[in-house]
Amino acid sequence: DIQMTQSPSSLSASVGDRVTITCRASQSITGYLNWYQQKPGKAPELLIYAASSLQAGVPSRFSGSGSGTDFTLTITNLQPEDFATYYCQQSSGMPLTFGGGTRVDIK
Amino acid sequence: QVQVVQSGAEVKKPGASVKVSCKTSGYSFISYYIHWVRQAPGQGLEWMGWINPNKGDTRYSQKLEGRVIMTRDTTTTTVYMELTSLRSDDTAVYYCARVRGVGTADSWGQGTLVTVSS
Repeated sequence: DIQMTQSPSSLSASVGDRVTITCRASQSITGYLNWYQQKPGKAPELLIYAASSLQAGVPSRFSGSGSGTDFTLTITNLQPEDFATYYCQQSSGMPLTFGGGTRVDIK
Repeated sequence: QVQVVQSGAEVKKPGASVKVSCKTSGYSFISYYIHWVRQAPGQGLEWMGWINPNKGDTRYSQKLEGRVIMTRDTTTTTVYMELTSLRSDDTAVYYCARVRGVGTADSWGQGTLVTVSS
């Protein structure tokens, strides 16, 4: 199975900050990497697919980059509604696997 | 619009089975696989398997192979996930999700809490 490692596991930030979350795969997944946002008590929501493509309806302050084994999710101008947990997920091979999550909370 | 609606919370005793439904609408049911993902309390996301609503073929995680059964009803555009021989560590929120391409979950159900307790 492909292992996905996210860092940091949590971070504190302020409204207006720029936040960067990294995700590393245990082997090359080319660009088969998705990012999801999950708020407490809610289902995950797709933010970024194929490493860098913005899902319809997602604000442009979210962006993704990377290929191979190293990927990044960046949130610019952090908004109050962005405080949540973020997960990366590889779709290069079965089983699908997720990173452990990064919790973003208010400083 | 695409909608994915799951059945309600369940409480089961160890050793019992649970069957969760996932009703879809707003798109071509046979054109997208449905995957199931679970999340234990305070934990991350664990992939369980998928079903192809067109042919009914399935693939399950090795961890759950032998205990999980995914089925579908094309007449009601509903997918089902049954988990047997329940244990306390099966306590989790279970999600179904419509998946496009090889593994991008673009529409999720609201989740179903399954509690396993004696």
